[in-house]
Amino acid sequence: EAGVAQSPRYKIIEKRQSVAFWCNPISGHATLYWYQQILGQGPKLLIQFQNNGVVDDSQLPKDRFSAERLKGVDSTLKIQPAKLEDSAVYLCASSLDPTGLETQYFGPGTRLLVL
Amino acid sequence: LAKTTQPISMDSYEGQEVNITCSHNNIATNDYITWYQQFPSQGPRFIIQGYKTKVTNEVASLFIPADRKSSTLSLPRVSLSDTAVYYCLVPLYNQGGKLIFGQGTELSVKP
Repeated sequence: EAGVAQSPRYKIIEKRQSVAFWCNPISGHATLYWYQQILGQGPKLLIQFQNNGVVDDSQLPKDRFSAERLKGVDSTLKIQPAKLEDSAVYLCASSLDPTGLETQYFGPGTRLLVL
Repeated sequence: LAKTTQPISMDSYEGQEVNITCSHNNIATNDYITWYQQFPSQGPRFIIQGYKTKVTNEVASLFIPADRKSSTLSLPRVSLSDTAVYYCLVPLYNQGGKLIFGQGTELSVKP
């Protein structure tokens, strides 16, 4: 079974530039999550999708971050404009069912460095 | 919201058994306890999940006492490749399994 795919794996940009990350979840997984992981900390949930609808985006900085999941499969996370404090690893995860007991499967992440 | 508390770091040697204890004093009746493992430059990976007593799989065992206010992840005979960060989590059952990650326990296995 193929895992969660993410691209790019690394990205370096200057502050105030924009950047986009792509995620392809495991086939058939209805729920998709985007996390931000700052060095030395645990992942923090940014947004959760159920199919193509948003379930939770309470911790998404909506003035600069946006995410979409068209057709309920792939998803993109965008930052515009980027700030220095956005330097982090952005992890995508998916799960089969959002009831609370299903395992979340994580991708390898995209490491972002904002200069 | 069941907040979890676990040691920041632990050291061990190859071949030893490692036990990482997590406290979750305000765990609710419907809550399960879940552990994830994260290697450097990788996303977290599910290890084990349990509700009460003992759960064992090919990777680890999870011990949960009757009051469920704590749990212990047991890794038998660790090797260098078990060096990772281990997260104890209580998925929010009424919020679609939302995971609130803490800082985790950084396990360092030495030869």
